[in-house]
Amino acid sequence: SQTIHQWPATLVQPVGSPLSLECTVEGTSNPNLYWYRQAAGRGLQLLFYSVGIGQISSEVPQNLSASRPQDRQFILSSKKLLLSDSGFYLCAWSVVDNEQFFGPGTRLTVL
Amino acid sequence: GNSVTQMEGPVTLSEEAFLTINCTYTATGYPSLFWYVQYPGEGLQLLLKATKADDKGSNKGFEATYRKETTSFHLEKGSVQVSDSAVYFCALRSAGGTSYGKLTFGQGTILTVHP
Repeated sequence: SQTIHQWPATLVQPVGSPLSLECTVEGTSNPNLYWYRQAAGRGLQLLFYSVGIGQISSEVPQNLSASRPQDRQFILSSKKLLLSDSGFYLCAWSVVDNEQFFGPGTRLTVL
Repeated sequence: GNSVTQMEGPVTLSEEAFLTINCTYTATGYPSLFWYVQYPGEGLQLLLKATKADDKGSNKGFEATYRKETTSFHLEKGSVQVSDSAVYFCALRSAGGTSYGKLTFGQGTILTVHP
């Protein structure tokens, strides 16, 4: 069966520090991968998606970047965090036209 | 572009009450529609889905019918339980290869069920 992992589960970082969040998927090949952010009291915003290794599409301009160095690995990064980067970050995967499956999320607090 | 509008919450109900969470959408063509649920501190789980007009998705006592004429996908449950307390998200996925499976979400509706 397929599983999706995210780490860390929680993270507290100072403003201006770098960020690296990792997402890995097991049990499937060539998935579409997605990063979402859920800000406090708000819905989900799609940040990035990837349809293959090295292929990243950005949905909104922001302080973040994404990379996909391996088929089932998706990384969200920042060189310098802002207060507004705080939120709950969710990774998801899907294949073809099936539904998306979400990871457990990472709660990021920028102080 | 695509958009999803959910009824504003929070929604507070007593156990065994009837639940309706309204969801309407704007999209071209024939999107697929989803309801996801998020329990406190967790990621999202797919609750139910419908992929074409007049389909009814159902799971765990929840139901939603894809109504193309009213562009709606309202979530209902006849008798809620305390364990149903969560945030509910309506979402759509455009048909067609260039969508890459991307979902458009509503803003979420917080449901609290009291004993």
